[in-house]
Amino acid sequence: DAGITQSPRYKITETGRQVTLMCHQTWSHSYMFWYRQDLGHGLRLIYYSAAADITDKGEVPDGYVVSRSKTENFPLTLESATRSQTSVYFCASSEPRTSNSYEQYFGPGTRLTVT
Amino acid sequence: AQTVTQSQPEMSVQEAETVTLSCTYDTSENNYYLFWYKQPPSRQMILVIRQEAYKQQNATENRFSVNFQKAAKSFSLKISDSQLGDTAMYFCAFMKPHSGTYKYIFGTGTRLKVLA
Repeated sequence: DAGITQSPRYKITETGRQVTLMCHQTWSHSYMFWYRQDLGHGLRLIYYSAAADITDKGEVPDGYVVSRSKTENFPLTLESATRSQTSVYFCASSEPRTSNSYEQYFGPGTRLTVT
Repeated sequence: AQTVTQSQPEMSVQEAETVTLSCTYDTSENNYYLFWYKQPPSRQMILVIRQEAYKQQNATENRFSVNFQKAAKSFSLKISDSQLGDTAMYFCAFMKPHSGTYKYIFGTGTRLKVLA
């Protein structure tokens, strides 16, 4: 599928388990981002990546790990899930270097529940 | 650090009427970008409108327009002729291109309901 996709769309996991959320984009955008959306907080940046093998922390990185071995994929791993990580997670991509719009394109989101 | 404030958690408007959503931000930067994103019940985030801070002219996109007041650090969104499909969560976002990072800072959102 063209665009940006996330999987799974819904996930229920138990406290302490490791879980990986997948993000895939077909535009070859250099930048990719992970956000979490919580009521009263809007969207907060977890991690971002400027290119393959280049990642950096955002506002709320604790408890999360990312990797980017290929330009098109940017998985987010919760190494030991906690209830406070129950949230909706959005992946986004953009190509700011060749576009002066700086628009970010968002995936459909993953609703994660940690019990 | 930059912050973005949306002081209206919820709003409602009658179909065909006009509504204005407010957004204020705090920054010491001079060159930056501001965005309004729409999130309908499907959860998909969609760009509504964008404003470059160096442009004095307010951006418009069909029924959507902004009132950008740089000195007041205000960036409100006006929706004219509201339609039922405008029912959504609206997020204001700030972005400063800096040192190769292009991170957005989002406000907490305004839930808009368009009434038939």
